[in-house]
Amino acid sequence: AQSVSQHNHHVILSEAASLELGCNYSYGGTVNLFWYVQYPGQHLQLLLKYFSGDPLVKGIKGFEAEFIKSKFSFNLRKPSVQWSDTAEYFCAVNANFGNEKLTFGTGTRLTIIP
Amino acid sequence: GAGVSQSPSNKVTEKGKDVELRCDPISGHTALYWYRQSLGQGLEFLIYFQGNSAPDKSGLPSDRFSAERTGGSVSTLTIQRTQQEDSAVYLCASANPPLLPGAKNIQYFGAGTRLSVL
Repeated sequence: AQSVSQHNHHVILSEAASLELGCNYSYGGTVNLFWYVQYPGQHLQLLLKYFSGDPLVKGIKGFEAEFIKSKFSFNLRKPSVQWSDTAEYFCAVNANFGNEKLTFGTGTRLTIIP
Repeated sequence: GAGVSQSPSNKVTEKGKDVELRCDPISGHTALYWYRQSLGQGLEFLIYFQGNSAPDKSGLPSDRFSAERTGGSVSTLTIQRTQQEDSAVYLCASANPPLLPGAKNIQYFGAGTRLSVL
């Protein structure tokens, strides 16, 4: 079975600070990796994804994530956060075949202080 | 519509009553998923429909939960004899099927139905 760990439950940063949110997964096979974001009062939106190829993927709003296979990690980064990045961030994984269910981490609540 | 539509957005019910939650997927998406988001549990998979194939019900927490998908489009999640622990946000997602072997899909989520069982 797959599992996803997000060790940071709540992160508070000042604007312009750099961000890194941790995500580790457990699965024996090849996986697809995702970061979803949920802004206050809004639905889950895809931030970025990794399927194959370059392990450094870039998403919307200046976010990027790096897949490190040896560490089973897919950490999310942003060099300079903005107040509008305040949201909950979810890492997710599914098996690398077909339409597969997503297994989510418990989420990280990010609060940006102006 | 342009996105996944869920109704109602909020539902308050009394313990023991049955509830039905509706999901309208993005037009043309043949894959449909239900997830549950509850405090302390994060997002949990419930059930998955793909075209005319038998659904994957492996995530349903009990036999009080069931879902159907009529005509390959709209889906209804039914919870019978609701309990307080069923209180959560129920999310629906839809996806296009992979067009080629090995291709991938992206799941698009609705805004969810917030269920409160008193």
